[in-house]
Amino acid sequence: SSELTQDPAVSVALGQTVTITCQGDNLRSYYPSWYQQKPGQAPLLVIYGKNNRPSGIPDRFSGSTSGNTASLTITGAQAEDEADYYCNSRDSSGNHLIFGGGTKLNVL
Amino acid sequence: QLVQSGSEVKKPGESLKISCKGSGYNFDNDWIGWVRQKPGKGLEWMGIVYPGDSNVRYSPSFEGQVTISADKSISTAYLQWSSLKASDTAMYYCARHRALYDMLTGYDWLDPWGQGTLVTVSS
Repeated sequence: SSELTQDPAVSVALGQTVTITCQGDNLRSYYPSWYQQKPGQAPLLVIYGKNNRPSGIPDRFSGSTSGNTASLTITGAQAEDEADYYCNSRDSSGNHLIFGGGTKLNVL
Repeated sequence: QLVQSGSEVKKPGESLKISCKGSGYNFDNDWIGWVRQKPGKGLEWMGIVYPGDSNVRYSPSFEGQVTISADKSISTAYLQWSSLKASDTAMYYCARHRALYDMLTGYDWLDPWGQGTLVTVSS
């Protein structure tokens, strides 16, 4: 399969830890990247590769991969982390990128 | 950074070309990708262009529907339609695409992103 599957919505209490997952067979071959998108804004890269954070992204964001599942973990979620999160990786052909359907994170 | 052209309102059947201008890095040496987001929906990868030699790769979903190009002399990438449909109504983003691969595995990332261009197609 060349699809990336994400849960549509996840909730977390303020200050707690939350994991957003992304499943796809191609994740056995390619590391994903993760993007945060807040309403009315362009997506923002938060994690790429094995577990790389761009400059300016808080260290409460981390990534990992096991088998066909990639995970984005936010340790100590803040109100400003409420957003849509998308995973992205190559498809099975290796020539194109694909996005997961996105996960809406609610911070309670 | 990447700066995109402004919002557009077009009628079905009209043509359109939107742009994405890069600055602050060597525009020739990295791919530029285009991503569609329909209202209230997720991100869709459309394709990429390498400004250095204008090599283009399209998502199978968008091949034949749009044309992606670049002019390295002015550090600008383009996305164009020859005949718009109402279903093309969406926000379109460009982003710098980089990749790091070895013999075993690797990864891609899109950063930075342009601010987006809203295209509205309505009769």
